[in-house]
Amino acid sequence: AQTVTQSQPEMSVQEAETVTLSCTYDTSENNYYLFWYKQPPSRQMILVIRQEAYKQQNATENRFSVNFQKAAKSFSLKISDSQLGDTAMYFCASTDYGGSQGNLIFGKGTKLSVKP
Amino acid sequence: DVKVTQSSRYLVKRTGEKVFLECVQDMDHENMFWYRQDPGLGLRLIYFSYDVKMKEKGDIPEGYSVSREKKERFSLILESASTNQTSMYLCASTLGLAGGPYEQYFGPGTRLTVT
Repeated sequence: AQTVTQSQPEMSVQEAETVTLSCTYDTSENNYYLFWYKQPPSRQMILVIRQEAYKQQNATENRFSVNFQKAAKSFSLKISDSQLGDTAMYFCASTDYGGSQGNLIFGKGTKLSVKP
Repeated sequence: DVKVTQSSRYLVKRTGEKVFLECVQDMDHENMFWYRQDPGLGLRLIYFSYDVKMKEKGDIPEGYSVSREKKERFSLILESASTNQTSMYLCASTLGLAGGPYEQYFGPGTRLTVT
């Protein structure tokens, strides 16, 4: 079965500093999509960033960027200039092509705390 | 913007009760999903549906059933609620185009407590 692994259950970072969240995945597919989702405390899960595996260039959305290493099956999220509002659970996900319909496989999450 | 709504944010039910969790999306998405979220376990897929009246079991379907009578609405049913079904339940939808991009849009979640 495909798996997504987030090895850091919890992390903390000082406001304005940079933090990197790790994610590794396991797939036999050549083309797939990878996602980082953010779930703030008591709030809705939202998409942070998306990466298409066939694209070499790392995706970037404002202060959020990824380091996509296809051969190593690694997909880390870098948050620059961390803000208090970045405090949240972060989930890494990959598409599941095991005969399903756009399903995603999620990691167990990393709880990020941004400290003032 | 895609909007996914869930019928309740918080729900308290008694053991043995039949529980209905409703989810509605307003963007004509083909695929809808029900997940259960527990601390340290991440999101686990209960059921999903890729068309009206179609349903597929996910990773943890035991004790649950689903209904999709209309494209925009996907219901999760706990036939006889048990305390081990106390959890956060998340509904999601996605466009369902072949080839991607497959990002899912989530509802706000229903925190269910079974006593």
